[in-house]
Parts: sequence; C-alpha cells; structure tokens
Amino acid sequence: GAVVSQHPSRVICKSGTSVKIECRSLDFQATTMFWYRQFPKQSLMLMATSNEGSKATYEQGVEKDKFLINHASLTLSTLTVTSAHPEDSSFYICSAYPDRDNEQFFGPGTRLTVL
Amino acid sequence: DAKTTQPPSMDCAEGRAANLPCNHSTISGNEYVYWYRQIHSQGPQYIIHGLKNNETNEMASLIITEDRKSSTLILPHATLRDTAVYYCIVRSGPYNPGGKLIFGQGTELSVKP
Repeated sequence: GAVVSQHPSRVICKSGTSVKIECRSLDFQATTMFWYRQFPKQSLMLMATSNEGSKATYEQGVEKDKFLINHASLTLSTLTVTSAHPEDSSFYICSAYPDRDNEQFFGPGTRLTVL
Repeated sequence: DAKTTQPPSMDCAEGRAANLPCNHSTISGNEYVYWYRQIHSQGPQYIIHGLKNNETNEMASLIITEDRKSSTLILPHATLRDTAVYYCIVRSGPYNPGGKLIFGQGTELSVKP
C-alpha cells in the first residue's frame, strides 16, 4: 500500500509556542489530505481537509486561526498549532488518498505535549 | 454519511475467529462499508470495504446483510497482534477520493492467549 509519513513523531513544547507538523505522501501524489486529532481513549476527530493549492476546509468547531494548514505541494501538507496550550496536547494524525485510488492511507501520528 | 453502531469491546481467544458486528441502518444506496483498525498509538490501517457483496482479502472477510443495514468483519484466525480498535465506517465511494472518513467509537478487540 501507499506510504504516508509524519514528522516529528513526538514533540514537546512550552505553552505559547507554535509547532509545525509535516505530513508527506512518499510514493504517490495527493491533492487532498486530512488532519485528525485524537485524545486519549477517544476516537479520531476530523479537523480539516487540506487541498493542494487552495485553502483548507475546517470542520465545525475547529479554529482555523489556531490550526494553520498549508498544502503547498502534491506530497506535503503541514499543520501548525499556533500559540499552543496544554489543552492542545493530543495525537495528531494525517491521511491521504492516492489520486487514482480509493483507499485513505494514514500516517503514523505525531504526539504533541504542551507543557 | 450514515452513522454506525458497534459494541464498545469484545474478547476473542487466540486462534479462533473474531466476528465484529456493525449496524448501519441508515446506509444509502451509494454508500460503502469500510473497516479500519488502529493498534495502540499508531495511525489507522485499512482492512477491507464492500458495497453489497461479501468480500474477502488476505486480512479479513466482510459479510454484509442483504438489506445492507448491518455487516460483520471476520478475522478468521485471530492472533495477539490483532488486538486493536476496529472502526466500521460508512461513506460514499470508492472513486470518490474527496470523501471524508468520520470515525465512530469503534470496537476494542482484545485477543487473549
């Protein structure tokens, strides 16, 4: 299957700083990528749909100024958590569709801890 | 996309078949049933999907009822490595790559020796 990577796998930051998480499709091009957040013992919650060359589409209740998404190329989407606070600590996961395929492939996730 | 209902947890003995049920009574005609699983602290992994016929691949079998209101994922010979949360998701597609996957609470399967 197709491979999606994320970097970093784990990040610890101080409250008030910004953190950037990268999502890459390694062996396919993806015009659409998705960002999810998962709190402990909970299911994945879709945050936004990242579209190459255009603005991201955010799910209801997700602050677009807080979670900045950039999809500058067909293989890279980035999620920036701005002015992070302890409540933003979570497991962030991205996913992507190969353009001609129908399966959504997930990255390994990024564990964010805000102190 | 239609909602799904799954039992929160199930146990299965190693080597036995694991049968995971899913109800999706509001599924519409163009919606598929997808199954993913998530092993602890990893990204979800695709297992199988189907529209109305039963499907089988190297990982599992998917049985969809004739009225399509429910389905069962079957892991024929469960191993300890199959311990994970299993998600049943209904969505339009395939060949609709823009379709979002909305995850419910899933079933936490524990395979025991």
